[in-house]
Amino acid sequence: QQQVKQSPQSLIVQKGGISIINCAYENTAFDYFPWYQQFPGKGPALLIAIRPDVSEKKEGRFTISFNKSAKQFSLHIMDSQPGDSATYFCAASKGGSRLTFGEGTQLTVNP
Amino acid sequence: GAVVSQHPSWVICKSGTSVKIECRSLDFQATTMFWYRQFPKQSLMLMATSNEGSKATYEQGVEKDKFLINHASLTLSTLTVTSAHPEDSSFYICSAKWPKGISYNEQFFGPGTRLTVL
Repeated sequence: QQQVKQSPQSLIVQKGGISIINCAYENTAFDYFPWYQQFPGKGPALLIAIRPDVSEKKEGRFTISFNKSAKQFSLHIMDSQPGDSATYFCAASKGGSRLTFGEGTQLTVNP
Repeated sequence: GAVVSQHPSWVICKSGTSVKIECRSLDFQATTMFWYRQFPKQSLMLMATSNEGSKATYEQGVEKDKFLINHASLTLSTLTVTSAHPEDSSFYICSAKWPKGISYNEQFFGPGTRLTVL
């Protein structure tokens, strides 16, 4: 019930394309869903986050889509750039407690 | 945004020695900090939750006596790997949580510490 399933494991996109990463969860008590970006040898950086009372949140080229009934949420990266190449992690938590992370997606954006 | 630092960024030590890693929240007070471990190409694994002024809460399977955590102030938590062995070699990352009332549950991560045990 605490798991967060993330897919795909790896993703290759052409520059200018849309990158889409999906996550699914089981625990309906989760109430906070962040996405983190991690470059090799660095700590994760908070990219964007959403609460379940909204279905979509956009910040620049990054958008989270949230489907409460399906218990799924996704990250969309518009106009993907080579600098976006990194590992992306979705996560979830409830009541301000510990984060449960997905397995990660290694994104490669080709020039 | 909030800044979390870690020191050292990398450390090499001999088997059997102890290593201390510091995690500091530079521009906010964090009552709660977390320690994670990450193996290559894998996700973050929570090791323990550190609350200022109280004992850390360890995840199942994490040895309390091997991974000593001290959260002595609102801006500093330390992780000491005691009697380190090669299998302890990993990337250790801390995070600090915004205090209540500022933002909901946001955690900010440090840059990580690469530990190599020879």
